[in-house]
This record gives sequence, structure tokens and C-alpha cells, in this order.
Amino acid sequence: QKEVEQDPGPLSVPEGAIVSLNCTYSNSAFQYFMWYRQYSRKGPELLMYTYSSGNKEDGRFTAQVDKSSKYISLFIRDSQPSDSATYLCAMTSDYKLSFGAGTTVTVRA
Amino acid sequence: EPEVTQTPSHQVTQMGQEVILRCVPISNHLYFYWYRQILGQKVEFLVSFYNNEISEKSEIFDDQFSVERPDGSNFTLKIRSTKLEDSAMYFCASRQQESPYNEQFFGPGTRLTVL
Repeated sequence: QKEVEQDPGPLSVPEGAIVSLNCTYSNSAFQYFMWYRQYSRKGPELLMYTYSSGNKEDGRFTAQVDKSSKYISLFIRDSQPSDSATYLCAMTSDYKLSFGAGTTVTVRA
Repeated sequence: EPEVTQTPSHQVTQMGQEVILRCVPISNHLYFYWYRQILGQKVEFLVSFYNNEISEKSEIFDDQFSVERPDGSNFTLKIRSTKLEDSAMYFCASRQQESPYNEQFFGPGTRLTVL
């Protein structure tokens, strides 16, 4: 079983739709959970981070963590064409980040 | 806004040659990392570095790889004898000591092409 699983998509939605992304993980030692956005041939950019189970909201973005199910989600409300990118989940218990494969999202104008 | 910078943006080298990839982390950060991303694959951890020594390294980070903080600002990754399979994007990242969330901020990457 892979340590972090993420459906690579691709996912295509119309402008204004809600984008729903998720990851599952197997390592119960993971304590910190992050979502990164990566544009083509660029470095990952930190979007959100969470520690405990529950929801965290930042503008149009909501991150959810369910440690009991080992499941994390990212929701993007009122999606814009500028949100088109690859979204990577990442998690860690210590020094190193373990990444998902990334989901490529296209928001159609 | 402070950011991690990396040079060069693209490095082309012949198999067997040595390459040095350079990074300037965010100035008040104390933890440094290298990751790589082979085209179409996951971002993979290579090594973490704190207080002038390696904290952790992956199985990818074999004897051909080394890291150094030669001065107060630069952080380098050296590959002694490059192989074709070393072709990838290499990302440097840094973290503040006080961060409770292990927030790592990434540079734009160096694309390494080994011919």
C-alpha cells in the first residue's frame, strides 16, 4: 500500500464550480497535513496546512482532515481559471514531507 | 515577500560529470531540504539538513550525493557522477525553527538534464 494516495485526475470543472480533492494515507504517525499548488515547471507553493482533525478555512479554500479515516480533503469554492494547476497533498510526522501524486485541475472559463 | 531562490534554472550535463545545484533559503530559516521530481512522478524527499549536518536522508541519497552550507546563505546539492536517471527537477525548501507545522517553502527548482 502506498504511503500517500491521491487520484491524479485530471479534473476539469466550469468556472464557479466547487473543486473537491482528496488524499488517503496509511501512516498513522503523520501529524501535519498540507496542500500545495504547483504550476507547470514551478516549485510547489504552500496553500494550507492543518494539524488536527476538522476543518480549516482560508478564503475560498477549505481543508479537512479526518485522522480516524486517514483521509484529507481540499475544497475550492467559486473556482477561477487561475486555480488551474496541480494540487499536491503532503504530510509529515518529522522532517520529511511525503507527497501524493498530485491532481491536475483545469477550470474552464 | 521572502522566497527561496535556486540557480541555475536549467542545467544540462553529460553522464559522469559532477553538478552542483545552488539554493538560497529564506534568511531566518534554519532547516533545509532537497527534493526531486522526475517528470510525471511524485515529489520525493532526498535529504534534510540542520545545524550543519544531515538530519535524515532517503535511500535515493546515496554516496553520489552530498549537501553543504558553505556560507551563511547558500545551500548546495552536489551530484558527483551524474547518471541518466538523475534527470529531474530538484527543489530546495526551507523551514523556520519555530514553525509548529513543519511548513516548508519551496524554491522554483532546477531542471537537471543528464545526456
